[in-house]
This record gives sequence, structure tokens and C-alpha cells, in this order.
Amino acid sequence: AQTVTQSQPEMSVQEAETVTLSCTYDTSESDYYLFWYKQPPSRQMILVIRQEAYKQQNATENRFSVNFQKAAKSFSLKISDSQLGDAAMYFCAYRRHSGTYKYIFGTGTRLKVLA
Amino acid sequence: EAGVAQSPRYKIIEKRQSVAFWCNPISGHATLYWYQQILGQGPKLLIQFQNNGVVDDSQLPKDRFSAERLKGVDSTLKIQPAKLEDSAVYLCASSLDRRRETQYFGPGTRLLVL
Repeated sequence: AQTVTQSQPEMSVQEAETVTLSCTYDTSESDYYLFWYKQPPSRQMILVIRQEAYKQQNATENRFSVNFQKAAKSFSLKISDSQLGDAAMYFCAYRRHSGTYKYIFGTGTRLKVLA
Repeated sequence: EAGVAQSPRYKIIEKRQSVAFWCNPISGHATLYWYQQILGQGPKLLIQFQNNGVVDDSQLPKDRFSAERLKGVDSTLKIQPAKLEDSAVYLCASSLDRRRETQYFGPGTRLLVL
């Protein structure tokens, strides 16, 4: 069975600095998607960035980028120039490319941004 | 484009009572998901619909939980009878179809069982 592990329950970063959130996963599949979702306090979850496993190039979305290491089954999120609005729970998620397309989420990392 | 709508936003009930949650997905989205998010944990998929058919309900506690999506649009999730451990946020999400990887989430319903 696939699993997603986020080993950092909480992280802090100074405003304008860079922070990296870690995620590891376990799967026997070769084709899948990986995601980072952001859940601000009392607000709905939104997609931050996604990575397709067959693509070697790391995904980037403005200040957000990933370091995807397929062999190591690692998928970290880097947030550059952190802003107060980045404070939220961040969830790493996995989805197979076929089958039931079921999503599996990690336990989340709470990011605090310090002014 | 309107997002995923859920109601109610909050619900407090006593154990052994019944409760129902409603979700209206984004217009045109064929796939609808219900997740349970217990405090301090990530969302856990309860059930996935493709139009009005169930694709995956392997983690739905079927002795007390039920869900339907009769016309392939909005959906209801019911708990009967509720237990203390059902206290959680219930999230609804939708996607264009189940092959499309991007899900859009609703605001969730926070349930407290006393």
C-alpha cells in the first residue's frame, strides 16, 4: 500500500526567508502524481504545486518549487521569499496515474511565518 | 466560476444522533470525493463518486456512514448513529473527471460529537 510521510509537524520561517518542507512516500508504482496542498486556518484547501513522476524536471510555481527525487521517493517543497500569507498547514499527497485514482495525504506540516 | 459548496459549516450533536452533510461540486465536475480530516491528521478518503456511481468506498465505515449522489451532481453524506470518534472536518472535493488530477476542495463541515 502507498504511504506518505511528513516528518516535520511544525516549521517556522522568518518573513522573506526560504523554507523547505519534507515529504517522503512509498509506492511500487512507476507512474503517479505528487502534490502539495495548502490549508490556511479555517479556510479551504488549495493546490500549491504538482509533479508528474515521469517528468524529471522539478515543478515550479512562482515562489514555490519542488525537489523531486524519484529514486529516493522524496518530494520536498521550497518556499522562497516567505510571506505572512504563507502561514498554513501544508499537506503532501500522492495519487496513482491509473486505477481508482485515490489520493493519499500525509499528516501535514504547520508552517509559521514570523514577522 | 463558483467553487465547491458545503453545508452546514458547523454541526454539534450528541452521540447516537444522526447527521447529514451536503456538497454541491463545481458545475460539470463528474468526480466527487468525501474526506474525513481528524484534528492533526491529513484527509482520509471516505468515498469517491464518478457521476452517480461509486468508484471507491473501501474506507467508508458502512455500518454507520452512507453517501449518495443520485443525479450525479450534489451529494449527501450521512452518519447514523454518530460516535465520539466521528468528530472531524468533513471535506468535499470535486474534479473534472477522475483521470484529471486536480481536485478542488470545499470549505468543509466541522462536526463535534458530544
